[in-house]
Amino acid sequence: SYDLTQPPSVSVSPGQTASITCSGDKLGDKYVCWYQQKSGQSPVLVIYQDNKRPSGIPERFSGSNSGNTATLTISGTQAMDEADYYCQAWDSSTWVFGGGTKVTVL
Amino acid sequence: EVQLVESGGGLVQPGGSLRLSCAASGFTFSAYWMSWVRQAPGKGLEWVANIKQDGSDKYYVDSVKGRFTISKDNTKNSLYLQMNSLRAEDTAVYYCAREVSEYAFDPWGQGTLVTVSS
Repeated sequence: SYDLTQPPSVSVSPGQTASITCSGDKLGDKYVCWYQQKSGQSPVLVIYQDNKRPSGIPERFSGSNSGNTATLTISGTQAMDEADYYCQAWDSSTWVFGGGTKVTVL
Repeated sequence: EVQLVESGGGLVQPGGSLRLSCAASGFTFSAYWMSWVRQAPGKGLEWVANIKQDGSDKYYVDSVKGRFTISKDNTKNSLYLQMNSLRAEDTAVYYCAREVSEYAFDPWGQGTLVTVSS
């Protein structure tokens, strides 16, 4: 089975940049998307097709994907960005999620 | 407004069955693949199953194969998950989600809690 690996947690100061990685074998050959899940809420799509933002998602969210690693970057992090973030990719007729990264804004 | 509303969750004993429903509105339901995703308490997201627009293709995560069945009724704009032989490890919030052509899920429903316990 295909695995996606994320760091369990990332801490960032307000206004600084948070980077969340997602690693998988030849991940750069697949499309990766990212979800934000705030406490007690359903996941929300923030990045699709590696680096595209759905309408309504702030410009401070960006993504990249190359080699074995995809990265979600939050520039100028705000307190409201504190949440769990999950990467996702499609492999061999199954959807795979990363284990999730808790972003704490200190 | 695109909306997904799950129902049917509850408390069930190990070995029991439950049928989840997801009512879709605000979009052409018959034009989309649909998925079920679950989240055990305090844990991450796990994809469970998906189904093609016309119901002709279905895929499952290995842990539910032979026990869960996904289906959809395009005349009722509804997605279903029949869960049999339930185990404690199936305890989770179950979300339905629309698969968009951009290789992502958008939106997600609010989820329905399934608790398997004696």
